[in-house]
Amino acid sequence: AQKVTQAQTEISVVEKEDVTLDCVYETRDTTYYLFWYKQPPSGELVFLIRRNSFDEQNEISGRYSWNFQKSTSSFNFTITASQVVDSAVYFCALQRGSQGNLIFGKGTKLSVKP
Amino acid sequence: DAGVIQSPRHEVTEMGQEVTLRCKPISGHDYLFWYRQTMMRGLELLIYFNNNVPIDDSGMPEDRFSAKMPNASFSTLKIQPSEPRDSAVYFCASSLAGDSGGARNEQFFGPGTRLTVL
Repeated sequence: AQKVTQAQTEISVVEKEDVTLDCVYETRDTTYYLFWYKQPPSGELVFLIRRNSFDEQNEISGRYSWNFQKSTSSFNFTITASQVVDSAVYFCALQRGSQGNLIFGKGTKLSVKP
Repeated sequence: DAGVIQSPRHEVTEMGQEVTLRCKPISGHDYLFWYRQTMMRGLELLIYFNNNVPIDDSGMPEDRFSAKMPNASFSTLKIQPSEPRDSAVYFCASSLAGDSGGARNEQFFGPGTRLTVL
């Protein structure tokens, strides 16, 4: 079965703190994709990153970084020097193969306080 | 491009009424997805299409739900008759087919339709 677990339901930090959002996935497929989406209070879903199962290279984009480890089936997301505008619900998602639907985790609500 | 367009943005209806949600995917995208978001169940797939053909409708709750994609630029999700438990935010998303490596396969979501069934 395919499953995504985001164990942290809510996280609250103070601005400028670093924060890591955890994502653990389950799949028996050898080819799969992992995604992170951001859902700000306005409600839209914003794509952040895609990773395929053959590429374990970590990625950094500005204050955002992602750590993909197949050995632990994890795809964690770190925000460095958090800002109030980072406050949102963040979803991790799994896709079988290179097409098809996304299987979402329950999301982690991040609150960044000034 | 305007992105994925959904209408209406908000819909309030009474139990038993028919509801039709509309979606216009990004031009040139091969895949279209309908998801539903509730507090209890989170984000879950209802159905998805590839080149206007339904591929997986296993997430459609029951016969009261139906979806169509008559052409590459339009899809509808219909609920008839609606029930209070159908209250949710319904998202439409689209994506390219991508290459063999899966590049460019990220899904782009519309703003969602917030449905309230009284």
